[in-house]
Amino acid sequence: AQSVTQLGSHVSVSEGALVLLRCNYSSSVPPYLFWYVQYPNQGLQLLLKYTTGATLVKGINGFEAEFKKSETSFHLTKPSAHMSDAAEYFCAVSDNGASGTYKYIFGTGTRLKVLA
Amino acid sequence: EAQVTQNPRYLITVTGKKLTVTCSQNMNHEYMSWYRQDPGLGLRQIYYSMNVEVTDKGDVPEGYKVSRKEKRNFPLILESPSPNQTSLYFCASSAQSAGGTRREQYFGPGTRLTVT
Repeated sequence: AQSVTQLGSHVSVSEGALVLLRCNYSSSVPPYLFWYVQYPNQGLQLLLKYTTGATLVKGINGFEAEFKKSETSFHLTKPSAHMSDAAEYFCAVSDNGASGTYKYIFGTGTRLKVLA
Repeated sequence: EAQVTQNPRYLITVTGKKLTVTCSQNMNHEYMSWYRQDPGLGLRQIYYSMNVEVTDKGDVPEGYKVSRKEKRNFPLILESPSPNQTSLYFCASSAQSAGGTRREQYFGPGTRLTVT
């Protein structure tokens, strides 16, 4: 079964500092990986996704993530944090049907706080 | 405007009183899904549907029912709600691509359910 682990339920960074949110996955087949962001009192929206091809994926709002198969990781980064980045971030993996299911598995989330 | 809508947005009910939360999408998406979000647990998939009349269990299906009679609608039914089903519920939809659910999901605004 596929799974996702997000290290750190809360992360604080100073405005202008590097943002690094960690995600490790477990999958017996090539994974489809996603990062979503949830602003307060809103639904989730896609930041970026990896399906196949280039392992460095660029998303919206200056975020990017690198798929590292050897480390089973898909960490999210942004070079310079902005106050508007304060939100909760979720890593997710989707089944591709190889195991007979098409589930989506989400991590437990990381709440990012940006300090002025 | 492409969107996923859910109704109601807020619901307070009592134990054992059947309720239905509606979900509708206008993007002609094949895949639809229900999640519940609880603090510290992230999003957990309840049920998903690959297309009309095709549904399958997610990771936490107990106490819930779904149906997919039309492509655009995917209602969530709680036949006998209990307090442990108090949660924030999200409906989501995505286009289906060959080989699995590699497309990103579009989320509704959420339904906050309280069962007393």
